[in-house]
Amino acid sequence: DAGVIQSPRHEVTEMGQEVTLRCKPISGHDYLFWYRQTMMRGLELLIYFNNNVPIDDSGMPEDRFSAKMPNASFSTLKIQPSEPRDSAVYFCASSPGPNYGYTFGSGTRLTVV
Amino acid sequence: KNEVEQSPQNLTAQEGEFITINCSYSVGISALHWLQQHPGGGIVSLFMLSSGKKKHGRLIATINIQEKHSSLHITASHPRDSAVYICAVFEIQGAQKLVFGQGTRLTINP
Repeated sequence: DAGVIQSPRHEVTEMGQEVTLRCKPISGHDYLFWYRQTMMRGLELLIYFNNNVPIDDSGMPEDRFSAKMPNASFSTLKIQPSEPRDSAVYFCASSPGPNYGYTFGSGTRLTVV
Repeated sequence: KNEVEQSPQNLTAQEGEFITINCSYSVGISALHWLQQHPGGGIVSLFMLSSGKKKHGRLIATINIQEKHSSLHITASHPRDSAVYICAVFEIQGAQKLVFGQGTRLTINP
């Protein structure tokens, strides 16, 4: 298995533009998580899905952020419009279920200028 | 006060030294993770444990549920162990949500 695959690895965009981050979880993992990591706040959970259904999106910063999981093998995190304070590393992770370990993707480093 | 506290925040040691990183938490948990993140790199899950001790190579993780404390030990440390080590817990009340410590930055000098 190739692990959790995220794309792109790096994204530089101008303020106001739409940004879409992509994630392919490990096949058979029923849980998918989106995290954001910054120097100031460390790792923060944005949203997680169970069997493609969003379970907890309380970490999504504001309406500019949205996440979808149209099927078991793909999820997107969209920021529209992007702002400089959105600059961070965004990690996707997947898990087979409760009390199982996580597998993290390599992350997407987003820079909004 | 954070629900998960790690100490120390930064640790520098010489190659070969025995390393201990501590994690204390204030909530009821179902399991605890130790994660490793190299500079500019991804996050790797080292251990997940809910009781006792686990060992993998030179790494040992222990947890004391009653004292709400876990430790990560590295024996015969090596410069390639230099990374940020993050403790994270699954809260009993929080379903699948991980709560993270602030991380410990470890530097091993040759």
